Amino acid sequence: KAGVTQTPRYLIKTRGQQVTLSCSPISGHRSVSWYQQTPGQGLQFLFEYFSETQRNKGNFPGRFSGRQFSNSRSEMNVSTLELGDSALYLCASRSSQGINEQFFGPGTRLTVL
Amino acid sequence: QQQVKQSPQSLIVQKGGISIINCAYENTAFDYFPWYQQFPGKGPALLIAIRPDVSEKKEGRFTISFNKSAKQFSLHIMDSQPGDSATYFCAASRGNAGNMLTFGGGTRLMVKP
Repeated sequence: KAGVTQTPRYLIKTRGQQVTLSCSPISGHRSVSWYQQTPGQGLQFLFEYFSETQRNKGNFPGRFSGRQFSNSRSEMNVSTLELGDSALYLCASRSSQGINEQFFGPGTRLTVL
Repeated sequence: QQQVKQSPQSLIVQKGGISIINCAYENTAFDYFPWYQQFPGKGPALLIAIRPDVSEKKEGRFTISFNKSAKQFSLHIMDSQPGDSATYFCAASRGNAGNMLTFGGGTRLMVKP
């Protein structure tokens, strides 16, 4: 099976812009989570989607949003970008078979100038 | 509030030695404890995971030891190899929180030839 894919891999934006990141989970996986990774804050949970519904949300401002489509693909959006949003954004997928194992994609490196 | 504390932040081990990374958690509701390995430019990869009903789990050269009463768990890498040089993250989640992993701060391991 192909792994989790994320596009784009690298992105450069300026403050105030918005950005949309995409994630395709492993085939058959219906749960997708997003994490932000920074040197200062480490890995932090953003939100989780299952069957197009947001199930959990981390402690991030409303500028961070996401959605999931019927094919389980997910997008996350960050509006009004700030310098501090520069990070590696990771997507993880999980089988809905009652197993906790999450499989991460390679991430999207976002740089905000 | 950091709910999972990981130590040490960095570790240097000679080839063939044992690498030991420790984590402590606060939330007694956590019931799933995975370890991830991350190489530069890659997403975290699941190494091994444990649940609180067992005190130890071994997979190849990797062993998790779990102490429920002390709320601590550790990763042991036996016969460490230069290819094991990476950043390791412990994490925890609770059953009713789905995918929401809480990560430790990470340990940068360097195995010297």
